[in-house]
Amino acid sequence: DTEVTQTPKHLVMGMTNKKSLKCEQHMGHRAMYWYKQKAKKPPELMFVYSYEKLSINESVPSRFSPECPNSSLLNLHLHALQPEDSALYLCASSQDRAGTNTEAFFGQGTRLTVV
Amino acid sequence: GEDVEQSLFLSVREGDSSVINCTYTDSSSTYLYWYKQEPGAGLQLLTYIFSNMDMKQDQRLTVLLNKKDKHLSLRIADTQTGDSAIYFCADPYRGTDKLIFGTGTRLQVFP
Repeated sequence: DTEVTQTPKHLVMGMTNKKSLKCEQHMGHRAMYWYKQKAKKPPELMFVYSYEKLSINESVPSRFSPECPNSSLLNLHLHALQPEDSALYLCASSQDRAGTNTEAFFGQGTRLTVV
Repeated sequence: GEDVEQSLFLSVREGDSSVINCTYTDSSSTYLYWYKQEPGAGLQLLTYIFSNMDMKQDQRLTVLLNKKDKHLSLRIADTQTGDSAIYFCADPYRGTDKLIFGTGTRLQVFP
């Protein structure tokens, strides 16, 4: 099983809503990632969790709050988002830390629209 | 910071070879990666190359690495319509967990 599963696939939310994106992998990977991808742009890293601890936060606004409840799950909690936060949110996982082969497997993404 | 550049667009005839190029600035990476993204979908890892290799072949895919010029290429032999997608090269920033993606090359295959 080389799958990273993201739910929901699509999400429309108002600027006052609170919602969560979910990501799951069962490959035993110890690093998990959130990326944001705007239309016609490459993915940009938001957060990295390594062994369930936050290791990289790319100066992401606090309206995005990541959570790693266990080694298989990664959540992204959303609150008071802006329309410019509309994007494809991609989750990824990899087996080990940087410096080794960080072969990252990506989910299909959640297409988020903020209205 | 790290810059990873690609040409934006490539159009090839079905059956021909495609070559997608990538240049990068960080020379400390141990591995370099190629990903494929179909419309509305996530990223699929295609292949990777270890930095002490010059070439890696994987079925229809050939990766060439020129470390001196910091140039990476992906050759797809016998390109098919199903290969139409955006292709990203990716470089781990200074050997960290942070993948820096290239600007992406949109490959269009016509019959």
